[in-house]
Amino acid sequence: DQQVKQNSPSLSVQEGRISILNCDYTNSMFDYFLWYKKYPAEGPTFLISISSIKDKNEDGRFTVFLNKSAKHLSLHIVPSQPGDSAVYFCAAGKLIFGQGTTLQVKP
Amino acid sequence: DAGVTQSPTHLIKTRGQQVTLRCSPISGHKSVSWYQQVLGQGPQFIFQYYEKEERGRGNFPDRFSARQFPNYSSELNVNALLLGDSALYLCASSLGTSNSYEQYFGPGTRLTVT
Repeated sequence: DQQVKQNSPSLSVQEGRISILNCDYTNSMFDYFLWYKKYPAEGPTFLISISSIKDKNEDGRFTVFLNKSAKHLSLHIVPSQPGDSAVYFCAAGKLIFGQGTTLQVKP
Repeated sequence: DAGVTQSPTHLIKTRGQQVTLRCSPISGHKSVSWYQQVLGQGPQFIFQYYEKEERGRGNFPDRFSARQFPNYSSELNVNALLLGDSALYLCASSLGTSNSYEQYFGPGTRLTVT
């Protein structure tokens, strides 16, 4: 039973445009969410997080939005850069990860 | 400061064999978690250790075991290897406090079972 789902396996955007990565969860008890980025041959690295008491958190080009009623969160990257090309995982709490979305940013 | 280190980087084993993977956390981190990542999937939680005690266990068979040492390093053992155990095994460390959700991952150990 997948408690955290990333339904889009891949996303391709043009450099300079917005990238939107989505994540859905099933357990309303989750109170903290994180996004990780993973390059090939490396472990995931922490990107940005959000507590359930907030609906938005921003860090530079990265913004995470949380919609608790819909049990949905999204990561916005603006503007997208070729170096952002990686696999992005959302995670609920410390231990539950989604399947990942591969982002390709084309120059 | 050194990040999370894992050894070995790659290894190949035969079905039925046993394997031990090693992880050294970031200095000052007292919690270590292990994950299995198969191709096309996200990391699946296996174990979490804090202060040498098991704090959580994922839905994995008893063939999987782990321990944490006084210096907070950790080992993951898998017995009676199956082909399906082929995966990237990730170790992550964190401070371990209740409000520290961020984890720092090592590069992983790529296990191939033939």
